[in-house]
Amino acid sequence: GEDVEQSLFLSVREGDSSVINCTYTDSSSTYLYWYKQEPGAGLQLLTYIFSNMDMKQDQRLTVLLNKKDKHLSLRIADTQTGDSAIYFCAESDASGGSYIPTFGRGTSLIVHP
Amino acid sequence: DGGITQSPKYLFRKEGQNVTLSCEQNLNHDAMYWYRQDPGQGLRLIYYSQIVNDFQKGDIAEGYSVSREKKESFPLTVTSAQKNPTAFYLCASSDGRGNANTGELFFGEGSRLTVL
Repeated sequence: GEDVEQSLFLSVREGDSSVINCTYTDSSSTYLYWYKQEPGAGLQLLTYIFSNMDMKQDQRLTVLLNKKDKHLSLRIADTQTGDSAIYFCAESDASGGSYIPTFGRGTSLIVHP
Repeated sequence: DGGITQSPKYLFRKEGQNVTLSCEQNLNHDAMYWYRQDPGQGLRLIYYSQIVNDFQKGDIAEGYSVSREKKESFPLTVTSAQKNPTAFYLCASSDGRGNANTGELFFGEGSRLTVL
């Protein structure tokens, strides 16, 4: 089956930029997503990028997509302690009419003062 | 407010007992999903339903059962056949219609099941 890989932990200092990386195997991916999970809660969509885009920026968030290398990254500028959470990369292939996403294992972002 | 409600938030069960987790949505979404989350393993799909009265097995369906009798509701039963049921269970829904669909999933707050 399709696979999504991401590192498990990232630690940054408050005010620095965070970069979370993800690789995927599905060459037919239509959408790629970043979800955020606060402790003990469900996931919320942070941002997504369509597969024919290279970059998407939304306030402090920048998503970069390298389709050739099947690599996705999420950059958070001026990281704050409130950004501490688990970040999940996910991809979906809509070619068959279904959008069921495949999730990575999640990257725990720890922001320290 | 529209959203997804899961209950109970915490549940304790003795070995050998079945337990049912509730998931209700008022977003008028066609598709609903159940995921299991274990530390360091991310989300694994248990069952999904793309329309009322129809559902499909996901990657780890063994020991679980679901029903989809109403559009708003997608309960998950963890049976005694599930060998390691202690986990965090997440329900989600999505709107599968229209060109504006991006496949975004809307998640509930989760139910934590502990088997004693």
